[in-house]
Parts: sequence; C-alpha cells; structure tokens
Amino acid sequence: KQEVTQIPAALSVPEGENLVLNCSFTDSAIYNLQWFRQDPGKGLTSLLLIQSSQREQTSGRLNASLDKSSGRSTLYIAASQPGDSATYLCAVRRGNQFYFGTGTSLTVIP
Amino acid sequence: SQTIHQWPATLVQPVGSPLSLECTVEGTSNPNLYWYRQAAGRGLQLLFYSVGIGQISSEVPQNLSASRPQDRQFILSSKKLLLSDSGFYLCAWSRPAQETQYFGPGTRLLVL
Repeated sequence: KQEVTQIPAALSVPEGENLVLNCSFTDSAIYNLQWFRQDPGKGLTSLLLIQSSQREQTSGRLNASLDKSSGRSTLYIAASQPGDSATYLCAVRRGNQFYFGTGTSLTVIP
Repeated sequence: SQTIHQWPATLVQPVGSPLSLECTVEGTSNPNLYWYRQAAGRGLQLLFYSVGIGQISSEVPQNLSASRPQDRQFILSSKKLLLSDSGFYLCAWSRPAQETQYFGPGTRLLVL
C-alpha cells in the first residue's frame, strides 16, 4: 500500500526566508503528485501538480520537484510571507485514488 | 464553473446517534467523488470513492457507509456514531480524465 510521509511536521521561519518542504512516497508507480494548501478549518486548495513524467513545476514563488525513482518531492517557497502560513499537504495519485501525507504546518513570523 | 458544497458545516452528535453528511457538485457531470476524514494530528484518510451512480469503493472497514443516489450527490452515513468518528470530513471531486481534485469546505463533526 502507498504510504506518503512529510517532513518536517511543523516549521516556523522568519518572513523573507526561503524554505523547503519534503514529501516521500513508498510506491513509485504514481500517475502524478500534487501539493495542496490547507488553511485552518478549511478545505484543500491545489497549488502545483506534477505529472509522473515531469521533473518540476513552478507557480510564482512556489517550485515543486519530483524524483519518482527515489520516491521524493520537494516544495520550495521563496521569500516567505506571513500569508504563506498554513498546512501543506502532498498527495500522489494512482488510478482513481489519492494518497495524502500528514502535512507540514508552516508558520511565517512577521 | 464548478462548485462543491458540503453541509452541515459543523455538527455535534451524541455517541450512538445516526449521521448523514451531504456533498453536492455543480457545473460538471459524471465526476469521481471522494470522502476523506482528517482527524486531529493525522493525515487525510480516504474513506470512500465513487466513479458513478451506485458505485462505491470502501477503503477502510468502519461503521460508516456512503451512497451516491444521483450523479452529483454523495452522502456519508452512519447508523451509530462512535467517539472515534469525530473529525473533519472532506468531500472532493475530480474529472475521470483530469488529474487534480477539488475539495469542499468540510464538515467538522464532534461526537460526545
């Protein structure tokens, strides 16, 4: 069964710092990998999606990479802002099923 | 555009009572539908998914059930709630040929 792990579980950084969130998965037979953002008490919002054949995707200050063979993905956030504070989850898709990590809770301190 | 609704937003129920959470999607047809539970300090757990009316796949054994009476309606039910059923329940949809999932606002359930 696919297991998805995210490290660290929580992260606190000063505003303006660049940071990296990590995601690892046990089964490399994935269709794609997606990074989501979740604000407290809210649903999930999609940030970036990487197809299994791709190595990275970029959107504004966010850059996500995928190394399928090693079962790893990273989400890079440049010049962090207090508004980036949220929980970030990665998910891998296999068929019609999505497997989520436990998330990294990010706090950006003004 | 597509929208996904969940209700109620918050629910407090006693142990042993029944449960019915509803999710509806607008603006698309024949979506894949999903129910997830997010417990405090734990990740998102897939409970059920459906690729069509009356087609339900269950991921974990539990006292919950799901039904899809209409194309864009997905219902999560229980006959008798347990304390361990407390959590944040999220409904999501995706197009069968599309990669991403779209999530509803969630229902926070507290079983006392």
